[in-house]
Amino acid sequence: ETGVTQTPRHLVMGMTNKKSLKCEQHLGHNAMYWYKQSAKKPLELMFVYSLEERVENNSVPSRFSPECPNSSHLFLHLHTLQPEDSALYLCASSRTGGDQPQHFGDGTRLSIL
Amino acid sequence: GESVGLHLPTLSVQEGDNSIINCAYSNSASDYFIWYKQESGKGPQFIIDIRSNMDKRQGQRVTVLLNKTVKHLSLQIAATQPGDSAVYFCAEIPGTYKYIFGTGTRLKVLA
Repeated sequence: ETGVTQTPRHLVMGMTNKKSLKCEQHLGHNAMYWYKQSAKKPLELMFVYSLEERVENNSVPSRFSPECPNSSHLFLHLHTLQPEDSALYLCASSRTGGDQPQHFGDGTRLSIL
Repeated sequence: GESVGLHLPTLSVQEGDNSIINCAYSNSASDYFIWYKQESGKGPQFIIDIRSNMDKRQGQRVTVLLNKTVKHLSLQIAATQPGDSAVYFCAEIPGTYKYIFGTGTRLKVLA
């Protein structure tokens, strides 16, 4: 139990579908992150929220839309995805300040048909 | 752009032996480093961290060494156990919320 819960664990969707990934942390952290993990590639930081404000957006296509309604919840809304978007999407949380260890969830395995 | 790399993609060690996993980082501005362990089907798990004002830090059975001169980081695992089998990542943090990960080294523990 990492304190960071992601749902669903697996998701298969067509390119025209709209779905959302959910992340919830129970660690009292104020920063939350979305990462993409593809085979044989380093973890790619997508979005960072600190105190519910987006502080990093690393050139992610607009078909990915994050939402952070409060410091415990983070969503990633997906629409019109491409096959190359198939990957493991990981959520993490940390204390604010940036130089803090992150605690990760177990990810959502996303497959785009 | 900056990158964090690992010298060995796969490392096989005998159970009970010590393991050393290496990592080269490229950004001299990085002042914080983290090692993570990722088991199959799970997310990365924090192992140990070190700040640039230190060159060594020890945890339970793990030691991280930092050589800023050659931008090198290593993770030493003492008395490697089957449960240590996983992929290990290093991450460098050159600025606030800027986490840069390596591709990972797979550690296989042989019985």
